[in-house]
Amino acid sequence: GAGVSQTPSNKVTEKGKYVELRCDPISGHTALYWYRQSLGQGPEFLIYFQGTGAADDSGLPNDRFFAVRPEGSVSTLKIQRTERGDSAVYLCASSLNWLTGELFFGEGSRLTVL
Amino acid sequence: GDSVTQMEGPVTLSEEAFLTINCTYTATGYPSLFWYVQYPGEGLQLLLKATKADDKGSNKGFEATYRKETTSFHLEKGSVQVSDSAVYFCARLTQGGSEKLVFGKGTKLTVNP
Repeated sequence: GAGVSQTPSNKVTEKGKYVELRCDPISGHTALYWYRQSLGQGPEFLIYFQGTGAADDSGLPNDRFFAVRPEGSVSTLKIQRTERGDSAVYLCASSLNWLTGELFFGEGSRLTVL
Repeated sequence: GDSVTQMEGPVTLSEEAFLTINCTYTATGYPSLFWYVQYPGEGLQLLLKATKADDKGSNKGFEATYRKETTSFHLEKGSVQVSDSAVYFCARLTQGGSEKLVFGKGTKLTVNP
């Protein structure tokens, strides 16, 4: 498809489990972002990639969160030892130019930790 | 730090009413400013932007003017439609080595026929 694709759209897991969320950006977009949106809040920045490298990971809340983008396209957000507080919608976005602020968002992956 | 504050919702209007959603930003430099919109069941999408003081962004009948004197970027539309029902987010680009968007909490708009 032409837009940013995120899978799964919904994930329910138990506390302590490991979770992977995938993002397939728009073809040709070199910048890729992960945000987290809790109920009633705006998106909060987690990490962004310029190509394969994480240019800024200052928003990752702790070392249970990790993200990769090995070939400069698809990215995976990995959460270890999930906690109930990790429940949120995880948004991925991509951009042609990382300086413009013009992001194209996917529909998000809703994570529920029981 | 860099932040934006937007009016709390929800906002409920009748069709053809005038809309204003207030947004202010912290005055660290002159960041680019944005309004994003999230329609039900869809991802966030850029509605409009302004990159410098006194710029006016516009799209789909919506407008917002970058006012450095009041550090504001209020969203307006003269006549809303039912299809404008959505959540609107004000955002700014951070500055100083790591450009990323900082969002407000969002304002839910419902337009009734």
